[in-house]
Amino acid sequence: NAGVTQTPKFRILKIGQSMTLQCAQDMNHNYMYWYRQDPGMGLKLIYYSVGAGITDKGEVPNGYNVSRSTTEDFPLRLELAAPSQTSVYFCASRRDRAAYGYTFGSGTRLTVV
Amino acid sequence: DAKTTQPNSMESNEEEPVHLPCNHSTISGTDYIHWYRQLPSQGPEYVIHGLTSNVNNRMASLAIAEDRKSSTLILHRATLRDAAVYYCILRDYGGTASKLTFGTGTRLQVTL
Repeated sequence: NAGVTQTPKFRILKIGQSMTLQCAQDMNHNYMYWYRQDPGMGLKLIYYSVGAGITDKGEVPNGYNVSRSTTEDFPLRLELAAPSQTSVYFCASRRDRAAYGYTFGSGTRLTVV
Repeated sequence: DAKTTQPNSMESNEEEPVHLPCNHSTISGTDYIHWYRQLPSQGPEYVIHGLTSNVNNRMASLAIAEDRKSSTLILHRATLRDAAVYYCILRDYGGTASKLTFGTGTRLQVTL
């Protein structure tokens, strides 16, 4: 049981490049989330999904896209990287019952130069 | 959305109890109070949650005021490994699924 796995752990992008941050969970959780964390700040929600084929915007969705074709995977796509997207990205999942806690991955540190 | 207020930082000596306060005066009747912590260079980690009654688990205790407008996370014996940022969060029901909205949390320093 690996929990929530994020790849890559580190990445440097040039302005205008694209990339996909991968997130996979093996706990059969329906709900999955993408957060970003800027230095010294709390986490901000980018997108979330309540099940395969269903996604919704969070607080800061601009510049990102997501898809959820399977229960296990929830990739985050950056189409045209900008310096403002330099951040640490965390993926999380949780069980369906609202009272349960979230499980977070270890994060992807992205730098856009 | 209901918000929480926490001190920016706190200090504790190792082996002593730590009480981390959180104010949430606009909490609604169905909001659960969640606590997470984030160790350096790691993702947040679930600590505990509760609705009305005090809660205990292997990591900590959660004391909830009778009017639910404040709560306190209690670490019974702080260790150096408890040095982290602690987030008090009310579960947000907006949208198609409840979500966690993080503030800036309380940075706990533990010293020998």
